[in-house]
Amino acid sequence: DGGITQSPKYLFRKEGQNVTLSCEQNLNHDAMYWYRQDPGQGLRLIYYSQIVNDFQKGDIAEGYSVSREKKESFPLTVTSAQKNPTAFYLCASSMWPSYGYTFGSGTRLTVV
Amino acid sequence: AQTVTQSQPEMSVQEAETVTLSCTYDTSESDYYLFWYKQPPSRQMILVIRQEAYKQQNATENRFSVNFQKAAKSFSLKISDSQLGDAAMYFCAYRSPGNQFYFGTGTSLTVIP
Repeated sequence: DGGITQSPKYLFRKEGQNVTLSCEQNLNHDAMYWYRQDPGQGLRLIYYSQIVNDFQKGDIAEGYSVSREKKESFPLTVTSAQKNPTAFYLCASSMWPSYGYTFGSGTRLTVV
Repeated sequence: AQTVTQSQPEMSVQEAETVTLSCTYDTSESDYYLFWYKQPPSRQMILVIRQEAYKQQNATENRFSVNFQKAAKSFSLKISDSQLGDAAMYFCAYRSPGNQFYFGTGTSLTVIP
């Protein structure tokens, strides 16, 4: 079945470390997105990519980086510059143009 | 910038009753899409219903329907015959012509047996 796979489901990071969250889709979708979800704040866009080898910053890109070397993959790196990385991270994809998003099951990142 | 407002952080409904969740949005565009997403405790986001702005007819998906008022920029979700499995966070979302999505802050729905 087609879908989006995010891994790992839970991730722990020490202060000062970079960590990478994986997002893979087999839906042949052109566009992919990363959102951060915090309690009471809904979903905030970190980065998005509409085609391979191209991506744009969202509303809260500081402290994050992405790459889009393959259509299927859009990994997110949370760098040590991100001061408050503890959150739930959602990856999504859509056709271009599209009706809506398909979401992954999310990654819970905790700084220890 | 587009904004999406959900003014009800929490709602509750008796099982088998009807509940309406509110959503308003701000845009200067005329052609766009609106969505309601459900996020159960598993945190998997699930598309509930979508509405195309150029269609005047309100979208319906089984027990879920919307009241789309384009001039008022209002997009409410009605859940009929509420079931225990409807308990979740519900997010309203706006998709711009440029394929940017904007989400509201969510409404937590409790279904009372």
